[in-house]
Amino acid sequence: RKEVEQDPGPFNVPEGATVAFNCTYSNSASQSFFWYRQDCRKEPKLLMSVYSSGNEDGRFTAQLNRASQYISLLIRDSKLSDSATYLCVAQRTGNQFYFGTGTSLTVIP
Amino acid sequence: DGGITQSPKYLFRKEGQNVTLSCEQNLNHDAMYWYRQDPGQGLRLIYYSQIVNDFQKGDIAEGYSVSREKKESFPLTVTSAQKNPTAFYLCASTYNTEAFFGQGTRLTVV
Repeated sequence: RKEVEQDPGPFNVPEGATVAFNCTYSNSASQSFFWYRQDCRKEPKLLMSVYSSGNEDGRFTAQLNRASQYISLLIRDSKLSDSATYLCVAQRTGNQFYFGTGTSLTVIP
Repeated sequence: DGGITQSPKYLFRKEGQNVTLSCEQNLNHDAMYWYRQDPGQGLRLIYYSQIVNDFQKGDIAEGYSVSREKKESFPLTVTSAQKNPTAFYLCASTYNTEAFFGQGTRLTVV
């Protein structure tokens, strides 16, 4: 079983829509969680960390549910520039990062 | 500017040849990683190094080798034993809970 599992999509949504991505992780020893954004043929970049209390950064909201071992990302008022692949990441002790396969989002005009 | 530099950006290799991908960082990070990404797939860990002169195999280490003689450098050699080397290779270093990536090397076997 993969450490981190995501629905690969693709998600095609109109501008202004709200879209949500979920991911699950298999190892309860995972301690820290993140969402990374990867544009086509580029390196991944940190979008935001994910906390149990939930955290918000502008139009983006991330949530962690440790009991169910899932992580979510909500994007409100989607912009064309949000089109990218979103990678869910779990980190265990010793700095080991585990990446999901990524969820592809295309925002349509 | 601090960061991670991978070179070259594009690399072509003939079958049966070894090739080395460069990764240099000036962030003073101890931990460095090599990942492979195939189309439609996530990042898979090849090798990682937590400290100079030490490295560990990741999930798909077969056909690859690394060295960590200096803190700043973590080169990856793709050997002829790697049966399907065409992919996008990403080097990363980590500090606390954040991973920083190089711009990647796209390797194509011709």
